[in-house]
Amino acid sequence: GDSVTQMEGPVTLSEEAFLTINCTYTATGYPSLFWYVQYPGEGLQLLLKATKADDKGSNKGFEATYRKETTSFHLEKGSVQVSDSAVYFCGSGTSYGKLTFGQGTILTVHP
Amino acid sequence: DTGVSQNPRHKITKRGQNVTFRCDPISEHNRLYWYRQTLGQGPEFLTYFQNEAQLEKSRLLSDRFSAERPKGSFSTLEIQRTEQGDSAMYLCASSPSILAGGSYNEQFFGPGTRLTVL
Repeated sequence: GDSVTQMEGPVTLSEEAFLTINCTYTATGYPSLFWYVQYPGEGLQLLLKATKADDKGSNKGFEATYRKETTSFHLEKGSVQVSDSAVYFCGSGTSYGKLTFGQGTILTVHP
Repeated sequence: DTGVSQNPRHKITKRGQNVTFRCDPISEHNRLYWYRQTLGQGPEFLTYFQNEAQLEKSRLLSDRFSAERPKGSFSTLEIQRTEQGDSAMYLCASSPSILAGGSYNEQFFGPGTRLTVL
């Protein structure tokens, strides 16, 4: 079945540091890929998405590129802020909406 | 609309008891999904509905679990004869119809119901 693997966490950074969270997937067919974010005390929110190979999803300064050749969808941000502290989930999705998530990466950003 | 709501937010029960959770999706969304999330893991798909029809159930959904969406609006998830292994966060999500320009993969999640089985 489909699966998603995220880099081991947690990740602790200083404000304005560069962020990378690695994500790889296995899936049959051509899934859509996502990053969801969960801020403390809130539900998961869609951060960005990409629906086909070489697509780049971007939102709030975060970016991720759908790499079919390496089955990856790494999340990057050039300069993190304290407000980015949250849990980040990489995911893949079928056309009818069944989402498969990674285990999540806790990001803590210090001032 | 205030988003997806779930009730109760927390439930503590004794092993062997039955519990029921409710999810109210965003009103114009025709798809509704249930996920389960255990500590340190990502959400795992349980089942989903299109309107009132339940279209897929995960193998994680044993025969002690049943979900309904009787009028295509709110949904309930019932667990019978709870076990300690059922302790988890149960998440509900909804998505708009693709006919309305939405995407089934862009799901809006509720805050979850945390179940603790003693």
